[in-house]
Amino acid sequence: QQPVQSPQAVILREGEDAVINCSSSKALYSVHWYRQKHGEAPIFLMILLKGGEQKGHDKISASFNEKKQQSSLYLTASQLSYSGTYFCGTGRGSSNTGKLIFGQGTTLQVKP
Amino acid sequence: SQTIHQWPATLVQPVGSPLSLECTVEGTSNPNLYWYRQAAGRGLQLLFYSVGIGQISSEVPQNLSASRPQDRQFILSSKKLLLSDSGFYLCAWSGQGPASWETQYFGPGTRLLVL
Repeated sequence: QQPVQSPQAVILREGEDAVINCSSSKALYSVHWYRQKHGEAPIFLMILLKGGEQKGHDKISASFNEKKQQSSLYLTASQLSYSGTYFCGTGRGSSNTGKLIFGQGTTLQVKP
Repeated sequence: SQTIHQWPATLVQPVGSPLSLECTVEGTSNPNLYWYRQAAGRGLQLLFYSVGIGQISSEVPQNLSASRPQDRQFILSSKKLLLSDSGFYLCAWSGQGPASWETQYFGPGTRLLVL
């Protein structure tokens, strides 16, 4: 049950804000966010555990609403370096099942 | 600090030929290890994961196999490649805790083209 990300793609100008959503039809224990540049490995951004917490990293933050089974990634005052494909990975339990299920990705392009 | 290596970086193979991709991790012990495949412009598909030497879980039935002969070595293999095996293969590691709260760190990947 792959989580669904929206939008599929977004184009911004430098300095604009963006929100990327990740929704699941199953109960979630955690949400992991990654960014991938073309041809490179995904880079870890942050993990959110159930409890409705919100995290921030520089101008990138995220929230996790376990009741709604969704997470949102907020990018404020976007920079050219924010361009890439963003993936959410969802974890469903606290046992070591070894699995994260990743969404299909959201492509973000920041233009000067 | 921990480092993850993958090789080769790029591989072009004919259909029906064998495959062996290797992944090694440095700077940690008893990691969980993962193999993912990413088709062009697509998401990350988990192929195999391992929580210890000789312990392999397969997620997608196909003509690929994985082995973990040493604690920090993970190998992806095939006896006969198919055209559909083309893609970007990523190895990742995490700590020994549950996947739900352990960060996965990805290697640089191997780009495989089957002709």
